[in-house]
Amino acid sequence: SQQGEEDPQALSIQEGENATMNCSYKTSINNLQWYRQNSGRGLVHLILIRSNEREKHSGRLRVTLDTSKKSSSLLITASRAADTASYFCATDAKRDDKIIFGKGTRLHILP
Amino acid sequence: DSGVTQTPKHLITATGQRVTLRCSPRSGDLSVYWYQQSLDQGLQFLIQYYNGEERAKGNILERFSAQQFPDLHSELNLSSLELGDSALYFCASSMMGRDSEKLFFGSGTQLSVL
Repeated sequence: SQQGEEDPQALSIQEGENATMNCSYKTSINNLQWYRQNSGRGLVHLILIRSNEREKHSGRLRVTLDTSKKSSSLLITASRAADTASYFCATDAKRDDKIIFGKGTRLHILP
Repeated sequence: DSGVTQTPKHLITATGQRVTLRCSPRSGDLSVYWYQQSLDQGLQFLIQYYNGEERAKGNILERFSAQQFPDLHSELNLSSLELGDSALYFCASSMMGRDSEKLFFGSGTQLSVL
């Protein structure tokens, strides 16, 4: 079963707008990571946030983590056509250290 | 280029057959992970190895097996293949296989079972 579940499943926005994706998970975690996958290709790591962190920034990316709600969000600011991809959250559960991915959010940036 | 090499890139076979997928991790990485990606199930964790030993097991079918060799490359063996095994199979590697390490993914093997 999936540990993380992304929401929404798909998102289309205009270039230049901000994109927000959410991830919910079920059990206590060591950390949460976000990855990007361009169509049919391997996943690429974007950012990692530890369980004792609440917010993290990397370039145009902002990740938040709320362990009380077991949720995280990924914000991409000033979106570009090249941001079109699927985005996955991955959780590293404390109970078994497995890195489990959600089903992803498909982001489409409209020109 | 992530530094993780997967072969073959594409594999077409028939039901009932057996195939072997191969993965070479990034230089210096000791841990290898296998994932299966299908349209309806997303990215499913199969198994993780660290320095030749199995470290964690996910939803891996009994028809599937894997191993990591002394040179750290890994192979995923899929047998008695069924139509539902058609998927993209990814290998990923990390340095120590510990938490707080990011994974580096290969480009995947697209398996089509006809």
